[in-house]
Order: sequence, then structure tokens, then C-alpha cells
Amino acid sequence: ETGVTQTPRHLVMGMTNKKSLKCEQHLGHNAMYWYKQSAKKPLELMFVYNFKEQTENNSVPSRFSPECPNSSHLFLHLHTLQPEDSALYLCASSQRTSSYNEQFFGPGTRLTVL
Amino acid sequence: TQLLEQSPQFLSIQEGENLTVYCNSSSVFSSLQWYRQEPGEGPVLLVTVVTGGEVKKLKRLTFQFGDARKDSSLHITAAQPGDTGLYLCAGDRGAQKLVFGQGTRLTINP
Repeated sequence: ETGVTQTPRHLVMGMTNKKSLKCEQHLGHNAMYWYKQSAKKPLELMFVYNFKEQTENNSVPSRFSPECPNSSHLFLHLHTLQPEDSALYLCASSQRTSSYNEQFFGPGTRLTVL
Repeated sequence: TQLLEQSPQFLSIQEGENLTVYCNSSSVFSSLQWYRQEPGEGPVLLVTVVTGGEVKKLKRLTFQFGDARKDSSLHITAAQPGDTGLYLCAGDRGAQKLVFGQGTRLTINP
């Protein structure tokens, strides 16, 4: 595997389900991010992790719970979601010590909440 | 409040034509990045511009950063169907926060 991978690529869940999104980066980076991409809206930063520590929570509802066990893996645990949470969830990584915040994205998980 | 405004939001042109996409803000950014996103994929970094007035070329794509580092443009010469995609600009506000524009959806018709 190369770059940033995300699983699953597509997910349909009911509002009472619990599911998790997984992201893995194979770039040796030390920062990882979760973004939400909705139709007609700019990418919204959700969470930032540096060296496994969460450094940013952009006022995300508690029904989204991130987990970063190491610098290469990032999870987004989902529970009791709402239909408006349907979107493309993108994971990205970067090198924290780089001069520019150039981020490398995975292909995303297309989430549909029924 | 939309910090980065991209225009146009949609653009459909014929193969071989030239086009320019704009990314404007009232805020100053330490750097600005352009990404291209194709259906079913995540954004892919095309270029980073850092210095006010900087111009970078990537084959038929020319990127310019405004003198005041508040705006940027992307010019494509002789567009090809392979240029079709969603073009996103993103400003670096520091603290690892990128602010994205809403994107320009470009379609190049054969």
C-alpha cells in the first residue's frame, strides 16, 4: 500500500448504528487529519492529531469520536448519527516539521446515514 | 463567513480553450495550495505558492500568488478532457489549519 488509504470506501448506516472509519498513512508523516466534505460546502476540518495527540477539535459533535493509536493510523468512531452527517469523510496526513502544511489525502469514505 | 471565495463555481468549456480560476480572500495566508479532486477520490496537491507575486508553472497550468498573499489564480492553457475535475484552493493560516475554498468544478468537453 502507498499513500493514504481509507476503509471502507462506502458506508450506509442507520441512526442507531455504531460504525468506525479507518485511515492509514504509509508516508512516514506525523500529523493526521479528519475532514468532512459535503455538497456545496468547503472542506471542513474536524480533527487534527500530532504525534498521536489531538491538537484540534473544530467544534465537532460528540457523536464523532476520533482515535489515533499511533502516527500511522487514525479512526473515526460514529454513533447515533443524523441524516445531515451524510458526506464524504476524508483523512489526510502531513509532515508536522515541514515548512508548508502540504497535506496528502486518502480517497475518502462516502457515508450515508438513513 | 467564507474566508476563501473561488470563482467561477462551475465552468464547462471546449477542449483547446484557455481558462482562469480565481481564489480570493480578505485574509493574508503564509502559503496557498491548489488541489485537484476527481470523482471518487481525495484531493491531490498540485502546487504550493509561498511568496507574494510568485508564479509557478506545471505543464499547461500556471499558478500565481497575489502580491499581498490574499489571492491566487490558476490558468490552464489549451485545456484537455483530462483536466476535468474539482479544483480547490486552500490557504494556510498556520497551526496546521488549511482553509479551503468551495471549489471550481471544471468540465472540458472533447
